[in-house]
Amino acid sequence: AQSVTQPDIHITVSEGASLELRCNYSYGATPYLFWYVQSPGQGLQLLLKYFSGDTLVQGIKGFEAEFKRSQSSFNLRKPSVHWSDAAEYFCAVVMGYSSASKIIFGSGTRLSIRP
Amino acid sequence: DAGVIQSPRHEVTEMGQEVTLRCKPISGHNSLFWYRQTMMRGLELLIYFNNNVPIDDSGMPEDRFSAKMPNASFSTLKIQPSEPRDSAVYFCASTWASSGGADTQYFGPGTRLTVL
Repeated sequence: AQSVTQPDIHITVSEGASLELRCNYSYGATPYLFWYVQSPGQGLQLLLKYFSGDTLVQGIKGFEAEFKRSQSSFNLRKPSVHWSDAAEYFCAVVMGYSSASKIIFGSGTRLSIRP
Repeated sequence: DAGVIQSPRHEVTEMGQEVTLRCKPISGHNSLFWYRQTMMRGLELLIYFNNNVPIDDSGMPEDRFSAKMPNASFSTLKIQPSEPRDSAVYFCASTWASSGGADTQYFGPGTRLTVL
């Protein structure tokens, strides 16, 4: 069965430092991959997505993610974090593109920013 | 654009009572999703509608939960009777595509349900 793993429950980084959040998936073919962000008390917002093509995907708020087929990974990166990036980040996968496709979310990584 | 609208934002009820959560998707969107978020289980997809028709309800926990979408601009999630373990934040999301979750979903602000 398809699955998505975010191994880091909570990460703290200093403001201005670089960030990498890990995401691994399990599936026999290339899935559709997403990163969503959830600020406290709010719903989720899409940061970026990968469907095909260039494996380095640019998103909003200065985030990027790289799809690595050999590692079944889709890690999220940002070169310099801002205090406003403190939030929970969810990786998600969808297998196939049809009305029957089902999205699976990872358990999330909570990001704290150290002043 | 008002975005996805959910009501109420907060609901506190007693065990055994009926609870109805409401969602208005973004105009023009034809797919709607209901999710439940808890600390223990994370974010779970409960049910997904496409063109007002339930496509996948495999995530609905049990018969106490039911969802309807009588038209393209309104959906409800009902719990009857409610139990303390139903306490969670319930999100509604919508998208314009008929692709399951494979297109950008727009989430509402959520309804925080507390069952005493």
